[in-house]
Amino acid sequence: NAGVMQNPRHLVRRRGQEARLRCSPMKGHSHVYWYRQLPEEGLKFMVYLQKENIIDESGMPKERFSAEFPKEGPSILRIQQVVRGDSAAYFCASSSGPTQPQHFGDGTRLSIL
Amino acid sequence: GQQVMQIPQYQHVQEGEDFTTYCNSSTTLSNIQWYKQRPGGHPVFLIQLVKSGEVKKQKRLTFQFGEAKENSSLHITATQTTDVGTYFCAGLKGGGSNYKLTFGKGTLLTVNP
Repeated sequence: NAGVMQNPRHLVRRRGQEARLRCSPMKGHSHVYWYRQLPEEGLKFMVYLQKENIIDESGMPKERFSAEFPKEGPSILRIQQVVRGDSAAYFCASSSGPTQPQHFGDGTRLSIL
Repeated sequence: GQQVMQIPQYQHVQEGEDFTTYCNSSTTLSNIQWYKQRPGGHPVFLIQLVKSGEVKKQKRLTFQFGEAKENSSLHITATQTTDVGTYFCAGLKGGGSNYKLTFGKGTLLTVNP
């Protein structure tokens, strides 16, 4: 009965590199959400995806950030040419439907050197 | 856009005291959800309220949804050290297949033993 699986748990990148964060939703869930959290702050919505579709990306920065949820495999949040300001915890959540509670993964702590 | 305000931002109590956090939305909500995040952990779903004026209890926790479905509260009776963490409310709004969950900034509860 695996929950939402995120990897890696910790990721260190140098400025200018690419960061790829993976999320496998809970079994039976086809709705995936990505959030960003800075220390002692709330959860900032980034993007909402269903299989092969981006439903709402209103929280995604226009440049360098992209997300996908392919037919097979995990959802990927990709950050190109990372900068120090990208350092944060990135949480993925999944649900069985758009009005249903979200179940969160353990998060990926991204550090930019 | 939709805003969810949560107060207080911080609350420190002595073990055994009660605690309440309040959540207010700028618009009428479809439902409200509450999550708890322990320090260093990930958000964990606590409860969902859907009906106007709904009240739900989980042991020492009491959740209320306002009559106008714009505000909510979480009350903890006789706090324990295990209650430490950040409590987030999240308001759901939308229709059809296009819903959006907006998180408040959370209330950080610390408990002095």
